[in-house]
Amino acid sequence: SAVISQKPSRDICQRGTSLTIQCQVDSQVTMMFWYRQQPGQSLTLIATANQGSEATYESGFVIDKFPISRPNLTFSTLTVSNMSPEDSSIYLCSVAAGTSTDTQYFGPGTRLTVL
Amino acid sequence: AQSVSQHNHHVILSEAASLELGCNYSYGGTVNLFWYVQYPGQHLQLLLKYFSGDPLVKGIKGFEAEFIKSKFSFNLRKPSVQWSDTAEYFCAVNADESAGNNRKLIWGLGTSLAVNP
Repeated sequence: SAVISQKPSRDICQRGTSLTIQCQVDSQVTMMFWYRQQPGQSLTLIATANQGSEATYESGFVIDKFPISRPNLTFSTLTVSNMSPEDSSIYLCSVAAGTSTDTQYFGPGTRLTVL
Repeated sequence: AQSVSQHNHHVILSEAASLELGCNYSYGGTVNLFWYVQYPGQHLQLLLKYFSGDPLVKGIKGFEAEFIKSKFSFNLRKPSVQWSDTAEYFCAVNADESAGNNRKLIWGLGTSLAVNP
């Protein structure tokens, strides 16, 4: 399985500011995803990060709020823009690789607190 | 719409007790099924998965799950739990009708397991 790192691991931010989260994989992967995990809830897919093209967003998530970049097959960023306390959550990067692109592997997550 | 239900939100067991966590999904076609585990302070890890073949799947740390197609279920089991099994357990299903490369995982709400020593 791929080794995935995320930066920062946690941050405390002020309302109205933006934070960019980085996801780095140790090998080239086909698919990269961004999830949100709010306290006591399950994972919610924000978007699929597509290499060389615009991300594919899920219902309820928009590019202006969560711009995503994926410049190559090992790296992606998620920006949480104009943050509010409701954006406080754990943000997770996951990848699908190898012969089965259905199995996803997860990074350690970024714990975001918005004051 | 596809959905995944985990029946037990919080489970408390004593060490050596047997464990069964329920997972049901709603989709009539071909599915891939997963159980993930999140230990306290750690990231999500794949516990086991079912794609095809033997419906009884064995995973890491003595866990197993059985796919019962007629019941749309994929319950997780362990005959004897340990304190170190204390974690959050998530069931997920991949069953995008459109197939192709953008198959999404649909997640259950998770089950919090606490094992008392």
